[in-house]
Amino acid sequence: NAGVMQNPRHLVRRRGQEARLRCSPMKGHSHVYWYRQLPEEGLKFMVYLQKENIIDESGMPKERFSAEFPKEGPSILRIQQVVRGDSAAYFCASSPKPQETQYFGPGTRLLVL
Amino acid sequence: GQQVMQIPQYQHVQEGEDFTTYCNSSTTLSNIQWYKQRPGGHPVFLIQLVKSGEVKKQKRLTFQFGEAKKNSSLHITATQTTDVGTYFCAGGKAAGNKLTFGGGTRVLVKP
Repeated sequence: NAGVMQNPRHLVRRRGQEARLRCSPMKGHSHVYWYRQLPEEGLKFMVYLQKENIIDESGMPKERFSAEFPKEGPSILRIQQVVRGDSAAYFCASSPKPQETQYFGPGTRLLVL
Repeated sequence: GQQVMQIPQYQHVQEGEDFTTYCNSSTTLSNIQWYKQRPGGHPVFLIQLVKSGEVKKQKRLTFQFGEAKKNSSLHITATQTTDVGTYFCAGGKAAGNKLTFGGGTRVLVKP
């Protein structure tokens, strides 16, 4: 059973470009969570999705950030017009049910130049 | 909203010594989970506690869930260099839809 997959593992963007981060949950998991982590800091919750639905987006910035989890395919975290402050590690996690153990992917490390 | 706090934020430990890190929630929890993140890695699930007063052990790690189900602790005995990393607790509420993570305790081990 493959674990949570994230790609790309590293992403470099210039200011103003778009960043697309992908997350494939573990097989059988329909709940996906996105977190952002700055160096030497904790995990900041961004958004919780279940297939085709956004359940909780209370941690998402109001502008430039969006997330989706389509019926088919991976979950996508999209950051438009990136700024240097968006540089961070973005982790995706999945679980079979809410509040059950979350299995984390390896993360995407975004660097904005 | 629910808040989960962890103390200390940093823990410097001499190899071979014991230490404890604490997790406190502003609200009663239905369960608490602990994760470990090695430097440069991703969080990995360690354990889940569900019952009031529950104690679980994993080798040198002892996890406890408070009687009021609002706090938890992780005690590590005879610390080794492999214990280096950040330990996160995450609490769930009965009526909630997700876990709330604490800020983590960063453990550094001095050989």
